[in-house]
Amino acid sequence: DQQVKQNSPSLSVQEGRISILNCDYTNSMFDYFLWYKKYPAEGPTFLISISSIKDKNEDGRFTVFLNKSAKHLSLHIVPSQPGDSAVYFCAAGRSGTYKYIFGTGTRLKVLA
Amino acid sequence: NAGVTQTPKFQVLKTGQSMTLQCAQDMNHEYMSWYRQDPGMGLRLIHYSVGAGITDQGEVPNGYNVSRSTTEDFPLRLLSAAPSQTSVYFCASSYSFGQDILEQYFGPGTRLTVT
Repeated sequence: DQQVKQNSPSLSVQEGRISILNCDYTNSMFDYFLWYKKYPAEGPTFLISISSIKDKNEDGRFTVFLNKSAKHLSLHIVPSQPGDSAVYFCAAGRSGTYKYIFGTGTRLKVLA
Repeated sequence: NAGVTQTPKFQVLKTGQSMTLQCAQDMNHEYMSWYRQDPGMGLRLIHYSVGAGITDQGEVPNGYNVSRSTTEDFPLRLLSAAPSQTSVYFCASSYSFGQDILEQYFGPGTRLTVT
């Protein structure tokens, strides 16, 4: 039973355009969400997070949107750059549990 | 700061052998964890620790042991390796705030193959 799902295994976007990566979750108790980026042969690196008291969080070119009623979050990258090509994981957690559940990842390719 | 370091980078084991994956961090983080990454499965939590002397199980703990004798180190032991443990293993650390952790810092990973 996968509690956090990233249904698109891959996505290709032209440089300069918007990339939208999606993530769905099933557990309504999750109240903190994160996005990580992973390059080949490296560990994941933290990108941006959002708590359930917000519906949007921005950091430079990266914006995360949270729709609690739909149990859906998305990561927007504007404008996309070739260096953004990587695998993106979303993760969800519940306060007080010390645990995060990760999605299966979406491979983003930004075409120059 | 070296951040989170893991050794070895690569390892090949025969079924039934034992080994320890090493993980160290120099950020004085209370929280440390081990994940495995398999194709199509994302990252799954194996074990975690909220401080020296305190460990607990994650989603997939069977076949693995951990201990936390110091803040800096969090080794992962495979007592009798099985082909199903072929995977990439990541160690991570984080500050904790009460019972919450925020973003984790990951090591570069250990690629383990069990034949």
